[in-house]
Amino acid sequence: DTAVSQTPKYLVTQMGNDKSIKCEQNLGHDTMYWYKQDSKKFLKIMFSYNNKELIINETVPNRFSPKSPDKAHLNLHINSLELGDSAVYFCASSDGPASSGANVLTFGAGSRLTVL
Amino acid sequence: DQQVKQNSPSLSVQEGRISILNCDYTNSMFDYFLWYKKYPAEGPTFLISISSIKDKNEDGRFTVFLNKSAKHLSLHIVPSQPGDSAVYFCAASLLGTYKYIFGTGTRLKVLA
Repeated sequence: DTAVSQTPKYLVTQMGNDKSIKCEQNLGHDTMYWYKQDSKKFLKIMFSYNNKELIINETVPNRFSPKSPDKAHLNLHINSLELGDSAVYFCASSDGPASSGANVLTFGAGSRLTVL
Repeated sequence: DQQVKQNSPSLSVQEGRISILNCDYTNSMFDYFLWYKKYPAEGPTFLISISSIKDKNEDGRFTVFLNKSAKHLSLHIVPSQPGDSAVYFCAASLLGTYKYIFGTGTRLKVLA
């Protein structure tokens, strides 16, 4: 039973389309995240939600809109897709803020988005 | 601005020998550091962490060393095993916050 699951695993789409990636965690964690790993392999935080409230919103184009219907789900919707959006998007969760020896991030397997 | 750097993109080590992966950071406010391991087509998984009040943390074959004055940490794997072949990410954070800054990873290959 996967702790953090993302769908779809692969997504190929045309420029200008709108797409969504879904994430669910069954760990009972309060906090969920979206990270982006681009072609240079940087793993950068995009958003974080704690109990359905947005707590981190990095400098991300407003074409990206996260939605957290409940604390177990965090979806990512992307409007008007561009070539530069091609990346692997990782969902993660944690049981609170960074704490020595606890509350580490648990990641999903990633969703590879290719924009043609 | 790349606050966490892993300057070696790849490393090859013979099975049974020591693997040393390095990480440098620029923000002296960081007080919590983690290493994650990533296999292909999987998400990163937590390996070991260290807070800035320590200079060493050990868990089985894995030891993380922290040199605060040099803003440098390293992960030692002894002895290295073929199953350790993966990409290793270093991450830094501030305790009590939700933001983790990751490096670009080092690909470790352990040769049998």
